Amino acid sequence: KQEVTQIPAALSVPEGENLVLNCSFTDSAIYNLQWFRQDPGKGLTSLLLIQSSQREQTSGRLNASLDKSSGRSTLYIAASQPGDSATYLCALTSYGKLTFGQGTILTVHP
Amino acid sequence: EAGVAQSPRYKIIEKRQSVAFWCNPISGHATLYWYQQILGQGPKLLIQFQNNGVVDDSQLPKDRFSAERLKGVDSTLKIQPAKLEDSAVYLCASSLEVGVAETQYFGPGTRLLVL
Repeated sequence: KQEVTQIPAALSVPEGENLVLNCSFTDSAIYNLQWFRQDPGKGLTSLLLIQSSQREQTSGRLNASLDKSSGRSTLYIAASQPGDSATYLCALTSYGKLTFGQGTILTVHP
Repeated sequence: EAGVAQSPRYKIIEKRQSVAFWCNPISGHATLYWYQQILGQGPKLLIQFQNNGVVDDSQLPKDRFSAERLKGVDSTLKIQPAKLEDSAVYLCASSLEVGVAETQYFGPGTRLLVL
């Protein structure tokens, strides 16, 4: 059974800092990995998707990496802004199912 | 393009009562998902439909939860009777087809509080 763990559970940083969110998984037989953003009272928005054959994906200030052999993914956010405050979830597609981590609550204060 | 719509947005009920949630997926999307997200946890898949047929309901507590997708479009999720531990956000998502490469689009969710 695939298990996904995200560390840290919560993170508070001052505006402008670069930060890294971590995601680990137990079964390397994954099809792809996604990072989602969840704002209070809203649904999930997909930020980045990495296919299992890829090592990383970039979108603006976001960079996600994937290391299947070690069962890890990281989401790097450069020059953080207060608008980045949200819950960030990683999710794996394996055996046809989407399995989520518990999320990291990010607060960026001015 | 309109997104996934859900209603109601919030619901408060007492334990042992029944409740129903409604979801309207993105037009043309064949696959529809219901997830349960308990506070502090990631979403957990309850049931997946392909058109109006069930693909996966292995994690649906069938003694109290039921779901249907008539005519392969809108879907309803029902809980009867509700328990305290059912307090959660219920997310609906849809994708164009079933398949590992298909992107899922999520609705805003229904926040349920059982007292």
